[in-house]
Amino acid sequence: GAVVSQHPSWVICKSGTSVKIECRSLDFQATTMFWYRQFPKQSLMLMATSNEGSKATYEQGVEKDKFLINHASLTLSTLTVTSAHPEDSSFYICSARDLLAGEVNEQFFGPGTRLTVL
Amino acid sequence: GQNIDQPTEMTATEGAIVQINCTYQTSGFNGLFWYQQHAGEAPTFLSYNVLDGLEEKGRFSSFLSRSKGYSYLLLKELQMKDSASYLCAPSDSNYQLIWGAGTKLIIKP
Repeated sequence: GAVVSQHPSWVICKSGTSVKIECRSLDFQATTMFWYRQFPKQSLMLMATSNEGSKATYEQGVEKDKFLINHASLTLSTLTVTSAHPEDSSFYICSARDLLAGEVNEQFFGPGTRLTVL
Repeated sequence: GQNIDQPTEMTATEGAIVQINCTYQTSGFNGLFWYQQHAGEAPTFLSYNVLDGLEEKGRFSSFLSRSKGYSYLLLKELQMKDSASYLCAPSDSNYQLIWGAGTKLIIKP
């Protein structure tokens, strides 16, 4: 159980285009989903926390108008990288927290999306 | 501030035992997670400690001392597939996971 999927698993796009990444919890309901970015050999960097039905909370330094997050249901959150540039090339990972997890606030991770902007 | 301290890299031999230490400082505390991350992949859950003491799960064990802000992950009977980064992630008062850069573990035959 507790499977999280991401789509696409990798994407190559031209500079200036927008890219949408989907994150789905397949067998549980997730009140909260998290979006991370990870550059090579660096730690996970939390970009934003997404709660179903409300606006996402962005971490300091993350542009909310550039990284649009929509959490329309308890099983789906999307991250749209608008007007992507080469410096946005990174590994984007989502995670989800189970509504019924109780005190164990484990985050279940999706497989990640590797974005390359040319 | 919030801080995680783990060794950057460790090397061990196949079949041996290795202990990866982690010290942390967080605003509040709601347990500590250990994750494994292979290169180019997302993290996968290994263990969770919220009370002091040792949690054993097969070849992997994790220990927590809340008063010392200290945890370790113990890996026994090392296998080549255990070569990966190991991430110590305490949870703060907002149930937010705090991430460090992790420890890269290299297993040699």
